[in-house]
Amino acid sequence: AQSVAQPEDQVNVAEGNPLTVKCTYSVSGNPYLFWYVQYPNRGLQFLLKYITGDNLVKGSYGFEAEFNKSQTSFHLKKPSALVSDSALYFCAVRQRLPTGGGNKLTFGTGTQLKVEL
Amino acid sequence: EAGVTQFPSHSVIEKGQTVTLRCDPISGHDNLYWYRRVMGKEIKFLLHFVKESKQDESGMPNNRFLAERTGGTYSTLKVQPAELEDSGVYFCASSQGDRGFLGQLTGELFFGEGSRLTVL
Repeated sequence: AQSVAQPEDQVNVAEGNPLTVKCTYSVSGNPYLFWYVQYPNRGLQFLLKYITGDNLVKGSYGFEAEFNKSQTSFHLKKPSALVSDSALYFCAVRQRLPTGGGNKLTFGTGTQLKVEL
Repeated sequence: EAGVTQFPSHSVIEKGQTVTLRCDPISGHDNLYWYRRVMGKEIKFLLHFVKESKQDESGMPNNRFLAERTGGTYSTLKVQPAELEDSGVYFCASSQGDRGFLGQLTGELFFGEGSRLTVL
């Protein structure tokens, strides 16, 4: 079974400061990893994904994430936070199976990011 | 290009009633998924269609839930009869069929805005 843990329900950061939203995963074999963001009263929007290759992945709105296989982590980061980044962030994992099956995404519980002036 | 659309955006029904949620995926996306988020919890997978076929329905909670995708276009999710614990936000998502060298789907999912179901 695959699972995702987002240990922080909420992260508070001042505008202009760097932000990190943590994510760890558990999956058999190698994972595909994703970050999504949900703004109030909106659906989930794709931010970035790790499939293979460079462990540092860059995505939308200046966000990036680093895949760390030894720590089974995929933390989301941004060098300088904006008030408009305030939203609910979800980490997700998809299992990579040699049979080609198991295509479902497993999500974490989400982390509320609050960026204040 | 139109995104994934879901209807209704919010439905309030009484326990025992029936509700049908509809999802229109992005045109050309063969993969369609239903997910559900109960308040404060993780977003849980319900099922996955490839065109009109159910690829994986391992997340469907019980036989009160019925999903269909006739003709491989839009999909409906019916809850009959609804129970209190069915309340939550039901998300639909679609994706293209991009695959990695192992045959795994690599593409991101495009989500609709969700249908909020409240069962009283």
